[in-house]
Amino acid sequence: QKEVEQNSGPLSVPEGAIASLNCTYSDRGSQSFFWYRQYSGKSPELIMSIYSNGDKEDGRFTAQLNKASQYVSLLIRDSQPSDSATYLCAVNLRSGGSNYKLTFGKGTLLTVNP
Amino acid sequence: EAGVAQSPRYKIIEKRQSVAFWCNPISGHATLYWYQQILGQGPKLLIQFQNNGVVDDSQLPKDRFSAERLKGVDSTLKIQPAKLEDSAVYLCASSLLLAGLDTQYFGPGTRLTVL
Repeated sequence: QKEVEQNSGPLSVPEGAIASLNCTYSDRGSQSFFWYRQYSGKSPELIMSIYSNGDKEDGRFTAQLNKASQYVSLLIRDSQPSDSATYLCAVNLRSGGSNYKLTFGKGTLLTVNP
Repeated sequence: EAGVAQSPRYKIIEKRQSVAFWCNPISGHATLYWYQQILGQGPKLLIQFQNNGVVDDSQLPKDRFSAERLKGVDSTLKIQPAKLEDSAVYLCASSLLLAGLDTQYFGPGTRLTVL
């Protein structure tokens, strides 16, 4: 099993719709989870972090974490064309001793159509 | 607050040449990371420094890649000699805390093309 897996995409949604991005991870001991947005030719930009089971909302973005199922998701409500980007799921996986290593999925390309 | 700075932004070299990248993290950040991002992939951690000590370099190709972080601030990543498969974006990131659990902030990256 890959350490961090994202739905392969690409994902295309109409403007105003809800975009749903999913991610699973391999290490039950993971403690911190992040969603980064990356525009073409740019570096990753943090949009959400989540550490506890449940939902975390920030504006149009909601992150959902289920540690029992080793699953984290990102919902984007009222999607806008400016949301079109690659969304990277990142999980801090144990890398030995007390150290953790941020491990990224391959990313899901989201296109929001006007 | 100034972000993570990197230079150069772009570099084109021929295979077997050497190249170096520089990173200045956010002021006060203890941990510094170098990632390699190949087109169509997520970033892959090459090396993690905590202050000026190496915490994790398990994915660094040590026969050709080297990195240092002098005085626990700036860092350089070097490739010698470069191979075609080293063509990628090299991202530097930093985080405030130790142990690598908190948010990482990325610099603009250096796009390397090896011909």
